[in-house]
Amino acid sequence: QITLKESGPTLVKPTQTLTLTCTFSGFSFSSSGVGVGWIRQPPGKALEWLGIIYWDDDERYSPSLKTRLTITKDTSKNQVVLTMTNMDPVDTGTYYCAHSWMTYFDSWGQGTLVTVSS
Amino acid sequence: QSVLTQPPSVSGAPGQRVTISCTGSSSNIGAGYDVNWYQQLPGAAPKLLIYDYNNRPSGVPDRFSASKSGTSASLAITGLQAEDEADYYCQSYDSTLSESGVFGGGTRLTVL
Repeated sequence: QITLKESGPTLVKPTQTLTLTCTFSGFSFSSSGVGVGWIRQPPGKALEWLGIIYWDDDERYSPSLKTRLTITKDTSKNQVVLTMTNMDPVDTGTYYCAHSWMTYFDSWGQGTLVTVSS
Repeated sequence: QSVLTQPPSVSGAPGQRVTISCTGSSSNIGAGYDVNWYQQLPGAAPKLLIYDYNNRPSGVPDRFSASKSGTSASLAITGLQAEDEADYYCQSYDSTLSESGVFGGGTRLTVL
């Protein structure tokens, strides 16, 4: 059974850097085709694809956020870390990490709400 | 504004059939990228509903099906039930976005 859980601050100030950790179990990055992605959802709005890291260290990012995002993985800890710089109130929302197999997200974390406010 | 366009809302009575469209372009759906569908119940994380064109994960009833034609895809739900009331999202990839993923704007399904 695959499980994922996001953790990190619930409140960040504008211009600060957000760091979220996704801790997972039930799979490993040793399997070809595996990835872990990040998706966010502002309150009452649609899902937004942020980025993904694959088993072979390939990284893909949303072009609109590429300059602010970094996704890394720590295979020894079964963790994936999302870093987003220069946070703004419009970045407020629920952030999800999800297991990816090929092109789809088949298991999701519960999400963590991040509020950006001074 | 997403590159995948979905109607904001659809509705249907119990037992009826509804469809949700996902309109893209030649750089995403039309380019042959897979279209996946997710269901998000109120207050919950999204759940994979359909993957790789028209495959259902274990546990998803066969009342849910999908199709694709040209630059568009559709999700069909037959025998509508009250528990189907949720937000539905299509998802694909886009070659003009450095092959990054993209979600549709979402469709709220209301069961009357």
